[in-house]
Formats: sequence, C-alpha cells, structure tokens
Amino acid sequence: KNQVEQSPQSLIILEGKNCTLQCNYTVSPFSNLRWYKQDTGRGPVSLTIMTFSENTKSNGRYTATLDADTKQSSLHITASQLSDSASYICVVSAKSGAGSYQLTFGKGTKLSVIP
Amino acid sequence: GAVVSQHPSRVICKSGTSVKIECRSLDFQATTMFWYRQFPKKSLMLMATSNEGSKATYEQGVEKDKFLINHASLTLSTLTVTSAHPEDSSFYICSAIGQGSGANVLTFGAGSRLTVL
Repeated sequence: KNQVEQSPQSLIILEGKNCTLQCNYTVSPFSNLRWYKQDTGRGPVSLTIMTFSENTKSNGRYTATLDADTKQSSLHITASQLSDSASYICVVSAKSGAGSYQLTFGKGTKLSVIP
Repeated sequence: GAVVSQHPSRVICKSGTSVKIECRSLDFQATTMFWYRQFPKKSLMLMATSNEGSKATYEQGVEKDKFLINHASLTLSTLTVTSAHPEDSSFYICSAIGQGSGANVLTFGAGSRLTVL
C-alpha cells in the first residue's frame, strides 16, 4: 500500500531560525515527489518537484532533498520568516500508465514561526 | 506557469440545495483533475480522481451520487454537491495535471469554501 509519512506533525520555531521537515514514503512505481505550502484557507502552492534522478532542489529559502534509495525527502527552510507559517505537504506521485497518475499525500507538517 | 482557477471562492447555500464548483486549467490541458475536501485544521482528503472524458474514480467513503464530478473537457471539471447539508460545509479544493509547458506539475486551485445553512 502506498504511504507517505511526514514528521513532525507540528513545529514551532523562532523567526530567523532554520528548520527541516521530513517525508518518508513507500510509493511504487515512483514518479516524482513534490512539496507544497498551504496557507490557512488557501489552496496549496508548489515549492519543489523532484524526480528520481534529482537529489536536491532549491526555491529561494526552501531546499528539498531526495534520497530515492531510502525513500526519504526533507524540506529545509533557511532563516525562517513569519510568512513561512503554514502547512507543508509532501505528495508522491506514481505513474499508473496511459498518462494517468496516482497521488499519495502526506498529512502535512504545520509550521508556526513566532517572533 | 500552470494556473488553475476555481470558482466560486465562497458560497453559502440553504440546506437541501445543490451547489456547483468549477475548476479550470487556464493555460494547459488538464488530463487529470483531483477534488479534495479539507475540514478546519485537518489534512487534505482526496475525494475523487477525474480523467477527461471518463467517469471519476471516487475514494472509499465518498458518495458518488452526492458529489457529482464532471470532466467533460481538458480545461474544465465541475463538482456538484447535491442536496447539501450542514455537514457538507467544508473547504473544497481542486488540482490538475496534464500536458503543456509546466503542466506536469500538480497545480492546485485556490479552493472554495462552502457553508450550508
């Protein structure tokens, strides 16, 4: 059964500090892994997408890593800002043939950045 | 980049009425669209997967007769909540993936907040 586990469930950090969110998955056949940021009451917004061959990808202060061997990904946020407070969702995609996709969602990590 | 527009963003309706939510891919052809609901402070819950031109595949526990999904074109999918009740009040979000520049990234709409009185 395809699963995506995210940790921690919630996290509180001081403004300016760094943090790392984890995503472990058991999805097959793996197509790609995406990190999304969801502000309260809004749709998720894509931060990064990584395929099997990519180890790291950055988007501003967000850096995602992928270890396809251990099936782990992390999202590192540098110099956090108050606006980083949101839920971060890991989504793993499996290609199921004929151009269709099967998505497995993590439950998300709720990050709160406090002054 | 790929853009998904969802409408309406907010809707209030009376119990027993039906509500339609639209999800449009503005600059790409969406071969697959997904519909989710999200209760306050909870994770996204996938309701159904919709491939253009075919019937939607519903997740376990989602009533297909209550949540009607139509994906008649490569740019439009609709979710109709039939005979809505207060317990259907939720945040409904669509996402799309497909063909075209940037379209292989799953893109979400901004969501529609449904309140049933």
